[in-house]
Amino acid sequence: DAGVIQSPRHEVTEMGQEVTLRCKPISGHNSLFWYRQTMMRGLELLIYFNNNVPIDDSGMPEDRFSAKMPNASFSTLKIQPSEPRDSAVYFCASSLLAAGEQYFGPGTRLTVT
Amino acid sequence: AQKITQTQPGMFVQEKEAVTLDCTYDTSDQSYGLFWYKQPSSGEMIFLIYQGSYDEQNATEGRYSLNFQKARKSANLVISASQLGDSAMYFCAMREGRAAGNKLTFGGGTRVLVKP
Repeated sequence: DAGVIQSPRHEVTEMGQEVTLRCKPISGHNSLFWYRQTMMRGLELLIYFNNNVPIDDSGMPEDRFSAKMPNASFSTLKIQPSEPRDSAVYFCASSLLAAGEQYFGPGTRLTVT
Repeated sequence: AQKITQTQPGMFVQEKEAVTLDCTYDTSDQSYGLFWYKQPSSGEMIFLIYQGSYDEQNATEGRYSLNFQKARKSANLVISASQLGDSAMYFCAMREGRAAGNKLTFGGGTRVLVKP
């Protein structure tokens, strides 16, 4: 069975550019989560969706960040414009609403120069 | 206040020995869940084990067991018979009551290095 799929795996971009990260959750899962991991701040929840509806976006750092989930099998996290401090590993995870454990994708390592 | 505290930033363990990773949590909810994840140097996050607040028995999964002490609000991970492949970062996480949905809060992690 395929796990959570994220693309791209690595992204290097210049400050000011738009960045779009993509995620395909495990089939049948109805909760999706976006996390950011940095050395300084550890693993932070940015936003999560239940049944494609955003439930909690309190972790989104600022208006430059936006996330969408147009259907049950696809989500995007967009940063526009990107800044060097956005450099981090971004994880997508999915789970069943009725269960607790989340399954993580391999992550996207973003570098903004 | 920190909701999940992992006080050991790093530790060494001899191969084939057991190791205990500490995790304390803070919640006022009666219903919650506790999780452990492993992050090897390759970067992926691997789910290891889950303990529900109402579970009377400690969770076990192969060489992993969770020492759940509710009154102390601790959920320590025990890895028995350590292997070189156990070298990784380990994160404790908590899901609070159902009103919080499936949102997890993670601790800062403990880095384990298994010595041959």
